[in-house]
Amino acid sequence: EPEVTQTPSHQVTQMGQEVILRCVPISNHLYFYWYRQILGQKVEFLVSFYNNEISEKSEIFDDQFSVERPDGSNFTLKIRSTKLEDSAMYFCASSRLATTYEQYFGPGTRLTVT
Amino acid sequence: AQTVTQSQPEMSVQEAETVTLSCTYDTSESDYYLFWYKQPPSRQMILVIRQEAYKQQNATENRFSVNFQKAAKSFSLKISDSQLGDAAMYFCAHGSSNTGKLIFGQGTTLQVKP
Repeated sequence: EPEVTQTPSHQVTQMGQEVILRCVPISNHLYFYWYRQILGQKVEFLVSFYNNEISEKSEIFDDQFSVERPDGSNFTLKIRSTKLEDSAMYFCASSRLATTYEQYFGPGTRLTVT
Repeated sequence: AQTVTQSQPEMSVQEAETVTLSCTYDTSESDYYLFWYKQPPSRQMILVIRQEAYKQQNATENRFSVNFQKAAKSFSLKISDSQLGDAAMYFCAHGSSNTGKLIFGQGTTLQVKP
């Protein structure tokens, strides 16, 4: 069964450093998403992406965040200058349709900012 | 804006018994989807069941079923014949058919007692 993959599974970085989280969505999916979950809290929407542009972003997704689909398979989330409060689990998801009929989630990347 | 509320932080059930997890939501959209996701300790997000808001019939998926009350904006999950492997955090989510964005509730931790 096809699945969304994410790398790395765990990333440790120092405050102020740039990080890139990588995702490989399911191959025939067209809509891509990033969510984050601070430990012990709910999952929060960050951004949706379709046709090589952002469809919607949340208030969390400020100027230090960016997303890109650099080739036909990868979907990346970049955090330019990490803060302690960016420590969280970051989930990538993809869907074939925009109707959220079914979003498939990756296993997540745990980001720890020290 | 859409909101999702899960008022039960923790629930417990005896193995083989039935448990119901509650969820209420608020939305201004006429067309939307509702989901229950399971998050085991691995923190992987696993889709349990989905409901299209335009369908009156409650969704079922093996031992999992929902009670969708559209007028009351209520979407509860019933797990029958609970198994030890059902122990996890369960998140209710509202999906926008326009944007693809998922809004999650705070989650309910389900404990299954042998």
